[in-house]
Amino acid sequence: QKEVEQDPGPLSVPEGAIVSLNCTYSNSAFQYFMWYRQYSRKGPELLMYTYSSGNKEDGRFTAQVDKSSKYISLFIRDSQPSDSATYLCAMSNQAGTALIFGKGTTLSVSS
Amino acid sequence: ETGVTQTPRHLVMGMTNKKSLKCEQHLGHNAMYWYKQSAKKPLELMFVYNFKEQTENNSVPSRFSPECPNSSHLFLHLHTLQPEDSALYLCASSQDPGRNTGELFFGEGSRLTVL
Repeated sequence: QKEVEQDPGPLSVPEGAIVSLNCTYSNSAFQYFMWYRQYSRKGPELLMYTYSSGNKEDGRFTAQVDKSSKYISLFIRDSQPSDSATYLCAMSNQAGTALIFGKGTTLSVSS
Repeated sequence: ETGVTQTPRHLVMGMTNKKSLKCEQHLGHNAMYWYKQSAKKPLELMFVYNFKEQTENNSVPSRFSPECPNSSHLFLHLHTLQPEDSALYLCASSQDPGRNTGELFFGEGSRLTVL
């Protein structure tokens, strides 16, 4: 079983839709959870960061962590064509250890 | 601009060539990283340098040789590569890996094709 599982998609939605992106993981020691966004021909950039369980909201984006289910989600409300990108989840267990990334989900939002 | 610059952006090389990838960060960070990104695969950590010292080598074949002359510059020397080494090579930096906030700042990558 891979440490982090993420469906690569592609996922296509119309403008204005609510998007749900998810990752599952197997290592119960993971404490730090991130979502990176990667536009075509660019490097990934940090979008959301969450420590331990709970929700975090930033504008149209909400990150959720359910440690009991080993499941994290990123919700995008009122999706825009500019949200079209690959979204990578990443996580780690303690300070100083490397991030473990998912494969990334490619999202396309059509106008 | 993320403050991390990678050159060249594209590189095509034969299996017998020797080439180098360069990364420079203008953020005053202490840690630098090389990642490999292949299609349909997760980002793979290759090397970590913290204050110019290599702190992690993730079982990378010796045909990849990193060099970190100072905290702002990172190189990846390539020799006798294989076609399966074709990928996007991403450089990243962070302020302090010990804090583990996840804030890695990535460059735009060097797209490598090995013929």
